[in-house]
Amino acid sequence: DVKVTQSSRYLVKRTGEKVFLECVQDMDHENMFWYRQDPGLGLRLIYFSYDVKMKEKGDIPEGYSVSREKKERFSLILESASTNQTSMYLCASSLTVSQPQHFGDGTRLSIL
Amino acid sequence: LAKTTQPISMDSYEGQEVNITCSHNNIATNDYITWYQQFPSQGPRFIIQGYKTKVTNEVASLFIPADRKSSTLSLPRVSLSDTAVYYCLVGVYNNNDMRFGAGTRLTVKP
Repeated sequence: DVKVTQSSRYLVKRTGEKVFLECVQDMDHENMFWYRQDPGLGLRLIYFSYDVKMKEKGDIPEGYSVSREKKERFSLILESASTNQTSMYLCASSLTVSQPQHFGDGTRLSIL
Repeated sequence: LAKTTQPISMDSYEGQEVNITCSHNNIATNDYITWYQQFPSQGPRFIIQGYKTKVTNEVASLFIPADRKSSTLSLPRVSLSDTAVYYCLVGVYNNNDMRFGAGTRLTVKP
């Protein structure tokens, strides 16, 4: 089974801090994704990556950046955290563009 | 954009068949239709994927009409453990045209 591991289940940070969310997958998948999930809004795509060092913006990239230096790891960076970035963050990976995505269990991030 | 529309919520009883429909009027030729299930405090989990006609696996069936502008997830004989949020996803991400819907909250009652 594919395993997607997110480094933290819960995280509390302060406004203005630089925040790193880490995601690792163990199945040599080409594609990785970062979503945020908010009540009533479903999952919204922040960034995705289809190869090492490659990235594409999703629907809501503002205030975020990403890094993919190795195939198995995809990091989401909040450059200067703000309270409106309090949310559940989900990482996913997929083998090809048409294959289903495999999700981690999420990081619930609170910005105070 | 491959926008999807699903009912916000549905109720059912144990043992019944549940059908959840997703509308995707502007689906593109190379778009797949994928359904996910999500329980509280977990990430979504893949249920079934299809391109056209009917697909069946051990947990669900997916019906896609010829025009592909909608799809229906069918869950046979639901149990209490099927209470979850179900998401329809249409698209192929590398066109940056892939969007999750807001999800359908299914509640199964005894």
